[in-house]
Amino acid sequence: DSGVTQTPKHLITATGQRVTLRCSPRSGDLSVYWYQQSLDQGLQFLIQYYNGEERAKGNILERFSAQQFPDLHSELNLSSLELGDSALYFCASSFPAAGNTIYFGEGSWLTVV
Amino acid sequence: DQQVKQNSPSLSVQEGRISILNCDYTNSMFDYFLWYKKYPAEGPTFLISISSIKDKNEDGRFTVFLNKSAKHLSLHIVPSQPGDSAVYFCAASASGGGADGLTFGKGTHLIIQP
Repeated sequence: DSGVTQTPKHLITATGQRVTLRCSPRSGDLSVYWYQQSLDQGLQFLIQYYNGEERAKGNILERFSAQQFPDLHSELNLSSLELGDSALYFCASSFPAAGNTIYFGEGSWLTVV
Repeated sequence: DQQVKQNSPSLSVQEGRISILNCDYTNSMFDYFLWYKKYPAEGPTFLISISSIKDKNEDGRFTVFLNKSAKHLSLHIVPSQPGDSAVYFCAASASGGGADGLTFGKGTHLIIQP
């Protein structure tokens, strides 16, 4: 158990809909990262937050957004969903702001039908 | 542009033998490298890391070697065990401007055969 908690574990939704994925980082960790893993793809970095502020953006679509709350949990919002958004979405956390060892949650499986 | 490359999508090794997983990178700013192991439907689990000031780091059956001049690192697993069957991801970061998390390769699926 990495200490990073993600909900929901599985989600099936229709095209055009909007979903929110939730992440609670490890106790004491200030940075939260979101990654996407599609079929045949590696882990694609989406976005990072540090202590409530957006720190870095990766390959995140404009239809997606995220935030980190004062209690340090984070949410990833996916809107106008398309079939191609079906993927495993991982949250990870770490203590320092800079890239270092990060610890992953078990992921949220999103299926868009 | 893939900055971290794992050119072998899969690797099959007999139980008890050595497994060698390779990783190449292109960004000379990377100075910290990690290996993660991932089972199906689970999150990646941190395995071992190495800083660019070292060329080798060992932890039990796992050893990571770094060749900075070749921009190459490898993970050695000796001896390989059935539980080692998983997807292994190589990852890298640049501490100087390292606010962009880790850059991952696409992974190598290691299969340990009995």
